[in-house]
Amino acid sequence: DAGVIQSPRHEVTEMGQEVTLRCKPISGHDYLFWYRQTMMRGLELLIYFNNNVPIDDSGMPEDRFSAKMPNASFSTLKIQPSEPRDSAVYFCASSLRRYGYTFGSGTRLTVV
Amino acid sequence: GESVGLHLPTLSVQEGDNSIINCAYSNSASDYFIWYKQESGKGPQFIIDIRSNMDKRQGQRVTVLLNKTVKHLSLQIAATQPGDSAVYFCAEESNFGNEKLTFGTGTRLTIIP
Repeated sequence: DAGVIQSPRHEVTEMGQEVTLRCKPISGHDYLFWYRQTMMRGLELLIYFNNNVPIDDSGMPEDRFSAKMPNASFSTLKIQPSEPRDSAVYFCASSLRRYGYTFGSGTRLTVV
Repeated sequence: GESVGLHLPTLSVQEGDNSIINCAYSNSASDYFIWYKQESGKGPQFIIDIRSNMDKRQGQRVTVLLNKTVKHLSLQIAATQPGDSAVYFCAEESNFGNEKLTFGTGTRLTIIP
């Protein structure tokens, strides 16, 4: 199994631009999570899905953030418009029945 | 609100010695706990987990201890190796309608050769 696959690994964008982060979970996993990691705030849960349905998006910072999971093998996290304070490492994780998350390698986002 | 905290942000251990990383949690309803290891440039990696009906669980070179009375969790790494250098996170989950893991701030473990 290739694990959780995220793309791109690195993204540098200008303030105001739209950013789309992508995630392919492990086949057969029914939960998908989006986390953000910064030095100041650590790992923060943004949103999670169960069987492609968003369950809790209370961690999404504001309306500029949106996430979708159109099918069991793909999810996106979109930021529009991006701001410098969105700079962070964004992780996607998947799990089977909630336990034992497997994380992807993350996308390092820099907004200048 | 609930939070997961760590007693020490950094820990330096001589290679070959045992390491103990501690974690305090505040949500008495938490019933599932996980330790993760994160190496530089990588995502967190599952190490070991424990449910609240247990107080000890062992893996390969690692042991997790859970003390529900004082809401304390620890990770013991035996005979530390250079490859153990990383940031270690504890995480907790409550079974009461909350499927989210809450992560602690992390402890950086450095192995001294």
